[in-house]
Amino acid sequence: AQTVTQSQPEMSVQEAETVTLSCTYDTSESDYYLFWYKQPPSRQMILVIRQEAYKQQNATENRFSVNFQKAAKSFSLKISDSQLGDAAMYFCAYRRGTGANSKLTFGKGITLSVRP
Amino acid sequence: NAGVMQNPRHLVRRRGQEARLRCSPMKGHSHVYWYRQLPEEGLKFMVYLQKENIIDESGMPKERFSAEFPKEGPSILRIQQVVRGDSAAYFCASSPDGLGQSEFGPGTRLLVL
Repeated sequence: AQTVTQSQPEMSVQEAETVTLSCTYDTSESDYYLFWYKQPPSRQMILVIRQEAYKQQNATENRFSVNFQKAAKSFSLKISDSQLGDAAMYFCAYRRGTGANSKLTFGKGITLSVRP
Repeated sequence: NAGVMQNPRHLVRRRGQEARLRCSPMKGHSHVYWYRQLPEEGLKFMVYLQKENIIDESGMPKERFSAEFPKEGPSILRIQQVVRGDSAAYFCASSPDGLGQSEFGPGTRLLVL
């Protein structure tokens, strides 16, 4: 079974600074996808970034980028130029790449606060 | 283009009552996933349905919980004889097929008194 671990329950960052959120996962499969979701106080799940395991290049989306280390099974999220609106819970998630079932396995999440 | 709709957004039930949560997938999506988020936890997969079929119910509690996705109408997650431990946020996600990116609904917050 796949597992996703987020060991840091909380982090804090100064506005305009950079912060890195950690995530590790365990799987025996070679084809899979990894995601970071943001959950603001509204509780809506918002996709931040997605990484295909077969791609060596790290995904980037504006101020968000990942450090994907496949051999180490590590998938961290870097937020640059942090903004007050980035304050939220962030969840790392895993999905198999094969088979017709897109169910996601989530970590426990990390609460990010942004100091003005 | 409406996204995934869930209703009600908030539901209060007393212990022993039934809770019915509805999910209308995005237009063109025929695959629905239900997740539960307990307080201070991440989302946990419950069940995966296509129209009229349950594909994967490996995350469903064995008793009191059921789900359906009829040919017409929304997907329904039904919880019978609710207990306080059922209090959680229940999220629905839909995808066009079993491979595509899932889109999440806003969730239903269930509170059991």
